Amino acid sequence: GENVEQHPSTLSVQEGDSAVIKCTYSDSASNYFPWYKQELGKRPQLIIDIRSNVGEKKDQRIAVTLNKTAKHFSLHITETQPEDSAVYFCAASWGEQLPRPLTGANSKLTFGKGITLSVRP
Amino acid sequence: DGGITQSPKYLFRKEGQNVTLSCEQNLNHDAMYWYRQDPGQGLRLIYYSQIVNDFQKGDIAEGYSVSREKKESFPLTVTSAQKNPTAFYLCASSIVREGLYNEQFFGPGTRLTVL
Repeated sequence: GENVEQHPSTLSVQEGDSAVIKCTYSDSASNYFPWYKQELGKRPQLIIDIRSNVGEKKDQRIAVTLNKTAKHFSLHITETQPEDSAVYFCAASWGEQLPRPLTGANSKLTFGKGITLSVRP
Repeated sequence: DGGITQSPKYLFRKEGQNVTLSCEQNLNHDAMYWYRQDPGQGLRLIYYSQIVNDFQKGDIAEGYSVSREKKESFPLTVTSAQKNPTAFYLCASSIVREGLYNEQFFGPGTRLTVL
């Protein structure tokens, strides 16, 4: 099965600096890579995702890059703010088509262990 | 994400007792999932269901059971066979469609403590 690893497990940056979180995956068939943010005591929420036919995607201060050859993808946060402090999870999915008569695709995700990002004021 | 509810928020049980965690969604999502979250372990998939009356084991299904009798509901039973049941349990749901890439929406979670 798929194995997703995140490094490092914790990251501390000064407010205003950039943060980069890297994940690696093992299954070359994986084709969908979301990032979730979980603030203390709250549920995980999707912040950005990327599909295997794209190398980079941006959304304001966050971006994700994908290197299919090396099987790694990274989350980039620029101009970090204290509210960016949270646990960030990467995940991978191979978007397997369901067998008939079901329609649609399997959205099963394999998550990394998470990284705790701390932004120092 | 307000469309997925889990109850209760905190649950205490004695060792050896079975306990059922509730998960309900009104998002009309086909797929539902149960994850277990432990410190430093990320989110590990217990069971998932793509359609009513069908479900599949995830990576850590031993000691757990589920049912999917209604599209809106996916209860998880933690049995006495689960050796280390104390954890934070998260339920999620997603659409299943031809697009292949479907965001999972999470519930608020249930923190289970077995004494």
